Formats: sequence, structure tokens, C-alpha cells
Amino acid sequence: AQTVTQSQPEMSVQEAETVTLSCTYDTSESDYYLFWYKQPPSRQMILVIRQEAYKQQNATENRFSVNFQKAAKSFSLKISDSQLGDAAMYFCASSGNAGNMLTFGGGTRLMVKP
Amino acid sequence: GAVVSQHPSWVICKSGTSVKIECRSLDFQATTMFWYRQFPKQSLMLMATSNEGSKATYEQGVEKDKFLINHASLTLSTLTVTSAHPEDSSFYICSARDRALVFEQFFGPGTRLTVL
Repeated sequence: AQTVTQSQPEMSVQEAETVTLSCTYDTSESDYYLFWYKQPPSRQMILVIRQEAYKQQNATENRFSVNFQKAAKSFSLKISDSQLGDAAMYFCASSGNAGNMLTFGGGTRLMVKP
Repeated sequence: GAVVSQHPSWVICKSGTSVKIECRSLDFQATTMFWYRQFPKQSLMLMATSNEGSKATYEQGVEKDKFLINHASLTLSTLTVTSAHPEDSSFYICSARDRALVFEQFFGPGTRLTVL
């Protein structure tokens, strides 16, 4: 069984600043994947970034990067140079190595102030 | 690539009627599709996993006779909400797993169901 916890229901950041969203997880699987998804007001789920647990190097996608601490079971998302379009719900998720179901955290609502 | 569509995007129905929601993978073959339910300001809750050509696997607490899932082809899965009631009103999202990319799911845009 997997559990994912996001301890920040809401976060706020000034435009052009940097913000970090927290996520912790628990899993009994030896190999797994971690994801951050963005859900804007349209409610379309958009993959932001993916991390394979067997990779030590933190994943990076343009302004988005993760801090993956495997021993601590922590997977935080850093958004640099925040833009108004980054305002959305962000969900952390995990899945087992068989690519089975995603387990989602409760979500963090990110607000970006102009 | 990796586009998933859902139809309809929204539907309003009367209590007691049945509603069918379609989920299609447009440019890839999806051996597995997932159905989620999302209440306002909440996270996604997995309802069931459907594999092409076999019966769906439902999560605990999900009534299989109320939420009928069919995955008849590698590009189409349907969710039928039978005898819908107001408490079934919700946002339903499907996702599909590309058989070539087993670690990633691609999400449809969702269907808003309102039962009067």
C-alpha cells in the first residue's frame, strides 16, 4: 500500500519568486515512481515532472525541479520564477514499479500574486 | 501525442436515469484505463482499474453494480452510472496507460455529472 501526504493545503508566492511545495510518501515497494501533477481551473490534469525512485539525480523540467530525499521519503517541488499561469492545484502522486494505480496526495492550492 | 478524450464534458440527468461516459485514447493503445472521482476541492479518488478485455477491478467501497465499466478495445473504456442519484454528482476523470510507457498515465479532461 502507498500513502502520499501533502501538508500544505494552500501556498502563496509572489510573481517571479520561488516556491517549494512539500510531499511525503510511504510505500512498501522496492521500485516506484513519483509525480507532480498540476490541475488548473479547467481541471485537466497536467504532468509537471516525474522521478524514478532508482535515480539519485533530481528531475528538472525548465522552471520546475524536485528535491527527492529517498531515505526521508520526501519529494518536494520547487517552482522558480513563478508565473501567473502557475496558479493551480498541485498533486503529488506515487505509483509502483508495475505502473499500476496512482496514489494521490490531498493537493496544494498555489496562488501567485502579481 | 498521448491525448485522452472524454465525452461528454458535462451532463445533467434526472434521478433514476443512467449515464454513460466515454474515455478514448486518441493516439496510443491503452491496455489499462483508470476511472477517478473528484469532489470539489478534494483530491482524485480511484474508483476502478480496467484492463482491455477483462473485468474491471473496483476499489473498496465502490459499488460495481452502480458504476459499470467496460473496456472493450485498446482505445475505449466506458463508465456507466446506473440509476443515478444526486449523491453521484461529481467530477469523473479517466486516465489511460500507454502500453509502451507503463509508468505514466495520461488524463482525460473530465466529465462533470449533475444529477437532479
